[in-house]
Amino acid sequence: DAGVIQSPRHEVTEMGQEVTLRCKPISGHNSLFWYRQTMMRGLELLIYFNNNVPIDDSGMPEDRFSAKMPNASFSTLKIQPSEPRDSAVYFCASSWRLGNTGELFFGEGSRLTVL
Amino acid sequence: AQSVTQLGSHVSVSEGALVLLRCNYSSSVPPYLFWYVQYPNQGLQLLLKYTSAATLVKGINGFEAEFKKSETSFHLTKPSAHMSDAAEYFCAVSEGGWSGGSNYKLTFGKGTLLTVNP
Repeated sequence: DAGVIQSPRHEVTEMGQEVTLRCKPISGHNSLFWYRQTMMRGLELLIYFNNNVPIDDSGMPEDRFSAKMPNASFSTLKIQPSEPRDSAVYFCASSWRLGNTGELFFGEGSRLTVL
Repeated sequence: AQSVTQLGSHVSVSEGALVLLRCNYSSSVPPYLFWYVQYPNQGLQLLLKYTSAATLVKGINGFEAEFKKSETSFHLTKPSAHMSDAAEYFCAVSEGGWSGGSNYKLTFGKGTLLTVNP
């Protein structure tokens, strides 16, 4: 089975522009997570979904960030407007059953650079 | 609330030497514990996990970790380092499996960068 698929792998944009990151979880997984990784803060959980419903978005930094999961096979993370401090690697991860051991399967990440 | 502390942001060893990466956790319930590895420009991959069975857990690539409740530790070891082990390693804790499965979070440590010298 294919792993978690993220796109784009790299994105360079200018401050103020809208950025949309995409994620396709592993088929059959019903939990999806968005993480952000920076040198300063390490891995931060932004939001997670269970059965396409957002369960906890307390990690979303501010209103400029939004995430959706319209169906079990697709999620987006949107930043509008983007700022230089949003530069980071954004990871999507999925898991097959909430309440399981907690093991996550990660995508390869989307590296965002905001100039 | 759960948390993870990884002692040492950077560990350097010689090829063939013992690898020891330290992880201490805090959890209000018996935890599930994980070690993940991240190679450059890649996502995180699971190395091994502790889920309340044997306290000594064996993972991929010759790594193992021992859960010590009295020390709240889950240190990662490998008897003999290879050049290919150079990567960043993350310890993580989850409480969700013990809370009835309603929800869970996987909380990561800051990571330890392992360098292997020839």
